[in-house]
Amino acid sequence: GAGVSQTPSNKVTEKGKYVELRCDPISGHTALYWYRQSLGQGPEFLIYFQGTGAADDSGLPNDRFFAVRPEGSVSTLKIQRTERGDSAVYLCASSFDGRYNEQFFGPGTRLTVL
Amino acid sequence: DQQVKQNSPSLSVQEGRISILNCDYTNSMFDYFLWYKKYPAEGPTFLISISSIKDKNEDGRFTVFLNKSAKHLSLHIVPSQPGDSAVYFCAASSVNAGGTSYGKLTFGQGTILTVHP
Repeated sequence: GAGVSQTPSNKVTEKGKYVELRCDPISGHTALYWYRQSLGQGPEFLIYFQGTGAADDSGLPNDRFFAVRPEGSVSTLKIQRTERGDSAVYLCASSFDGRYNEQFFGPGTRLTVL
Repeated sequence: DQQVKQNSPSLSVQEGRISILNCDYTNSMFDYFLWYKKYPAEGPTFLISISSIKDKNEDGRFTVFLNKSAKHLSLHIVPSQPGDSAVYFCAASSVNAGGTSYGKLTFGQGTILTVHP
């Protein structure tokens, strides 16, 4: 596909459950980012991958959040023991090399924790 | 600590007139600024960017102005069209001493622009 894709588009889960959110970046983009957007706010940075490695994970709120990008393409954001406060839209973005920050965003995954 | 602020939650403009969206920042290490547009249920779409070595960048109907001394940037849309109605976010990033990017963008809260026919 031409753009960044994210699956699922919506995820409803119960408090305490584990969830995985997937991101397929634009082909050839080495940089991949995860953001979280709460209602009425701008996207908030979570983690940035350059290739397979996490170059900056300073935005992950706590150790319940983890992300991987094992082959330098698809990435998975993993949330353990979900809490109601984790409810938000999780956005993935990619860019060619991370240098100039023109990031291309996917449509997001709306996570609802009941 | 909100390092990028968009103090106007909403803006209403008549079709054909100018829309001016404003953004202020506090972190003097920011040196690259971007504007994104977002429609409901979609991800943000890149509009225009500006490096701190410039004070103006223009792309069609969109112009971004940067005032470094005031730590202020603005997006001008001329003429405004009903299809421009969306949420607009400004974002900022910084580079490290090696000239490469830190990667992450810091976003403002967004301004809802409504352009009336």
